[in-house]
Amino acid sequence: AQSVTQPDIHITVSEGASLELRCNYSYGATPYLFWYVQSPGQGLQLLLKYFSGDTLVQGIKGFEAEFKRSQSSFNLRKPSVHWSDAAEYFCAVGATNAGKSTFGDGTTLTVKP
Amino acid sequence: DVKVTQSSRYLVKRTGEKVFLECVQDMDHENMFWYRQDPGLGLRLIYFSYDVKMKEKGDIPEGYSVSREKKERFSLILESASTNQTSMYLCATKGTVPYSNQPQHFGDGTRLSIL
Repeated sequence: AQSVTQPDIHITVSEGASLELRCNYSYGATPYLFWYVQSPGQGLQLLLKYFSGDTLVQGIKGFEAEFKRSQSSFNLRKPSVHWSDAAEYFCAVGATNAGKSTFGDGTTLTVKP
Repeated sequence: DVKVTQSSRYLVKRTGEKVFLECVQDMDHENMFWYRQDPGLGLRLIYFSYDVKMKEKGDIPEGYSVSREKKERFSLILESASTNQTSMYLCATKGTVPYSNQPQHFGDGTRLSIL
């Protein structure tokens, strides 16, 4: 069975500092991986996705993520955080059967002025 | 852009009522999903549908049913609402053309309170 672990429930960073959100997955084959962001009171918005090829993927809003097969990780990074990045972030792994995805429990990001 | 519209942003109902949550998409996606989101529990899949009139149970289907009579519309039904169904409900869609592993697209959610 596939699973996703986001070890950090809550992270606080200062505006302008770098950010890394961790994601570890368990999946039997080559995974399809996603990062989503959820602003308060909103649905989830796709930040980026990895299917194959280059292990460093670029997304919207200046985010990037690196797929590391040896570590079963897909960590999300941003070099300089803005106050508007405060939100909840979800990592997800996709399955080939029936289109379901498995989501992590999310990491809440707080940005200090 | 894919648009996923949930009929209500906020809804207040009473215990024992039959509650309908509606979701409509405009991208001809085959797959549609209903999740509930609770603090500390992430997203939990209630039901999903991969075609008209087709449905499968997710991880927490108890107390819920669904209906998909048309491709663009997926309804979640709380047969007899209870207070423990107070939650944020999220609808999502996913296409399979031209490749199967596309991301899901989410609506803005319905915050449902059962009194």
